[in-house]
Amino acid sequence: AQSVTQLDSQVPVFEEAPVELRCNYSSSVSVYLFWYVQYPNQGLQLLLKYLSGSTLVKGINGFEAEFNKSQTSFHLRKPSVHISDTAEYFCAVFGSQGAQKLVFGQGTRLTINP
Amino acid sequence: DVKVTQSSRYLVKRTGEKVFLECVQDMDHENMFWYRQDPGLGLRLIYFSYDVKMKEKGDIPEGYSVSREKKERFSLILESASTNQTSMYLCASSLGVGGEAFFGQGTRLTVV
Repeated sequence: AQSVTQLDSQVPVFEEAPVELRCNYSSSVSVYLFWYVQYPNQGLQLLLKYLSGSTLVKGINGFEAEFNKSQTSFHLRKPSVHISDTAEYFCAVFGSQGAQKLVFGQGTRLTINP
Repeated sequence: DVKVTQSSRYLVKRTGEKVFLECVQDMDHENMFWYRQDPGLGLRLIYFSYDVKMKEKGDIPEGYSVSREKKERFSLILESASTNQTSMYLCASSLGVGGEAFFGQGTRLTVV
């Protein structure tokens, strides 16, 4: 069975500062990994995904994430945030074998202060 | 444009009622999912389906059932609604293994 843990429920940062949102997963099979974003009063949309290949994945709006198999992590980073990045971010894991279950973490609320 | 449509944005139901939440996708996706979203708990998987008439329990299936008679439609059923089922319900669909999930706009259900 898969599970996802997002280590921070809230992350406040100042505008133009770097940010890292942490995600750890557990799974008995190979996984595909995703980050989704939910802006205030909007639906979820895909930021980026890791399926295979290069462990550094680039997504929309300047975000990137690094897959680390040995540490079972998939942390999301942005070198310089903007007010418009204020949102809730969700890490998700999809097992590559067996029942195709897409499991999400608890979410991290990113607040950007001017 | 890709579309997942949930039948209602807001619903208010009474305790003990049988509630149907409908979800339709127009992308010919095999996989469909039902989640509930609660503050601080993220998205919790209720049920999912990877083919017509196939269903699998997610992490919190108690008090819910599902139906998938056609590929494009996935229904969530609350057999006897209770106040602890007040939540935002999200439907999603995806193509194959590892495909991006597309979400509906959500149904905010209040059980009184």
